[in-house]
Amino acid sequence: GAVVSQHPSWVICKSGTSVKIECRSLDFQATTMFWYRQFPKQSLMLMATSNEGSKATYEQGVEKDKFLINHASLTLSTLTVTSAHPEDSSFYICSARDRGYTDTQYFGPGTRLTVL
Amino acid sequence: KNQVEQSPQSLIILEGKNCTLQCNYTVSPFSNLRWYKQDTGRGPVSLTIMTFSENTKSNGRYTATLDADTKQSSLHITASQLSDSASYICVVSGEDAGNMLTFGGGTRLMVKP
Repeated sequence: GAVVSQHPSWVICKSGTSVKIECRSLDFQATTMFWYRQFPKQSLMLMATSNEGSKATYEQGVEKDKFLINHASLTLSTLTVTSAHPEDSSFYICSARDRGYTDTQYFGPGTRLTVL
Repeated sequence: KNQVEQSPQSLIILEGKNCTLQCNYTVSPFSNLRWYKQDTGRGPVSLTIMTFSENTKSNGRYTATLDADTKQSSLHITASQLSDSASYICVVSGEDAGNMLTFGGGTRLMVKP
């Protein structure tokens, strides 16, 4: 099946710093990628939809100035958490949409962010 | 409002036993339903996908069923193994312009020796 990678797999940073997370579709082109956040023992919550070549669409309650999304190519989307705070600590998962006949989203392995 | 409800929230079974997880949804219009397995600290991995016309799909020891009339799905795990311990998430895709996904809350399964 299709492969989606994320980098880094985990990161620890100080409060106030910015952290960039990369999401790559390795063997298919993804015009649309999605960013999710998952807190312990909870399901995935969609943060934003990233469209190649255009602005991301953010879900209600998600600050677009805090969570910067760039989808510069058909295989790469980045999420930058700006001025991170401890409450931003979470598991961030991306998915990439393969518009084959099943129109399937493939999930990355996730990035564990810990803000001290 | 599109919703996906899963039950039970958590389940403990002994190795070798079978179990069935339930998923009820209200997503309309319906496009497809997927079951994912998510190991702790990892991203979800697809187990099965079913469209409106399919009522059963197997993947090894995993068998999913779909009743589009009652909007219910189940995931049956046969002869459970310790490695089956994970969260199982039911995800329904709506047939709207964005084919957005609606996630269930997941069932946390623990298989004990």
